[in-house]
Formats: sequence, C-alpha cells, structure tokens
Amino acid sequence: ETGVTQTPRHLVMGMTNKKSLKCEQHLGHNAMYWYKQSAKKPLELMFVYNFKEQTENNSVPSRFSPECPNSSHLFLHLHTLQPEDSALYLCASSQGRQGFYEQYFGPGTRLTVT
Amino acid sequence: GESVGLHLPTLSVQEGDNSIINCAYSNSASDYFIWYKQESGKGPQFIIDIRSNMDKRQGQRVTVLLNKTVKHLSLQIAATQPGDSAVYFCAEEGYGGSQGNLIFGKGTKLSVKP
Repeated sequence: ETGVTQTPRHLVMGMTNKKSLKCEQHLGHNAMYWYKQSAKKPLELMFVYNFKEQTENNSVPSRFSPECPNSSHLFLHLHTLQPEDSALYLCASSQGRQGFYEQYFGPGTRLTVT
Repeated sequence: GESVGLHLPTLSVQEGDNSIINCAYSNSASDYFIWYKQESGKGPQFIIDIRSNMDKRQGQRVTVLLNKTVKHLSLQIAATQPGDSAVYFCAEEGYGGSQGNLIFGKGTKLSVKP
C-alpha cells in the first residue's frame, strides 16, 4: 500500500538463533531507515542509510547488524537477541535526508524473542 | 534535549464529532512537523505535515495547527469516522546532528464510538 514491503511479518526466535529482516521499497527513494517500536514508547530510530551508505547508528547494540546492498533493499541481521528486543521493527524510506521529506513506512515485522 | 510528547494518551469521540489531538514539542528551532496515523497491524501512515513558516494547513477532513509561541501542535479531524480509529503520532524533524531524522511522540489512541 505504501510502496514499502517488509518480510516476514511475524518472527519468533530463540536467543541463540540468527535471522534476518528484509525491507524493500518501490518508490525510488534514496534513504532508508530501521525503527524499533516497543509498547508505550516512542518510535526509536536505529539506523539510517542514504544512497546505500550508513549515515547513522543510533547507539544500537551490535547484535543488530544492518545491510543495504542497494537503495531499494534494506536488511536487519539479528543474532543472540535478548527478550527485551521483542518489538515491532519498522522500515521506512524517504526521497532524501534533509529538507522536509516525509517518510513512508512498511507494515513492520513483529519480533518475539523467547 | 529534543523531545516530542502528547498531552493525552487516549481520546474517545462520538462518530460525526470533531477530534482534536494535541502535541507539545521542546525544540523551538524545529522547522518541520508531521502527523502520522497507525492502525492496528500496520505501519505509520502520513497524514499531513506543516513547516514552521506556517501556522495552519488543511487537508481532506484534517487540519494541523502550529503555535510556535507555546511550541504546540494539534491535529483536528472533522466529522470523525470509525475508520479514523487509530494511534496518532506527531513528529518533528531533528536539528543539528539529527537533522533529517524524525523525532516521534508516544502517540494518542483515538477511539470512535458509533
């Protein structure tokens, strides 16, 4: 609907597992983002990519590893997560980084760490 | 520090009434503000935005008001419908090192009674 797709929509993983979240945007945008949305907390920005280059890492633990092979695709690699990492992970894209660009969000991946 | 917050966590209105959702922001230098709507199971969806050189902007059934004097933002929804039931977030564009990033409030849950 928004031009940003995310897979999988739901994921349950143990603390010793390795999994990856995928995001794809069909809008021709140059910037992509990962956010974490926990209950009763504001959206937390995790990573920002602009023209495939990481421009921001918002003090995210190394158990989260982003990858941006091109401007249309963004991955979030997960390993040895903790139960408190359970949340909705949202991907977004925007035309640019500065200058009043709205961000378009995907539907999110609901992650549960057991 | 930068922060965006919402006055009320929940709002319940009768179908057909007007809704007003409020937001306070702390950074007087913010130039850009956005309202997002998030329905259950979906990512945030852009509703309307406003730049700091304006104090009012209208969309389809929605109006955003910006009062820079008191650093207050509001979203007005006319003739509220059941489909408007969702969580509404305000966001401001960061400044300085965070320019280009959106800083989100916690959200207000709007419930529309038929």
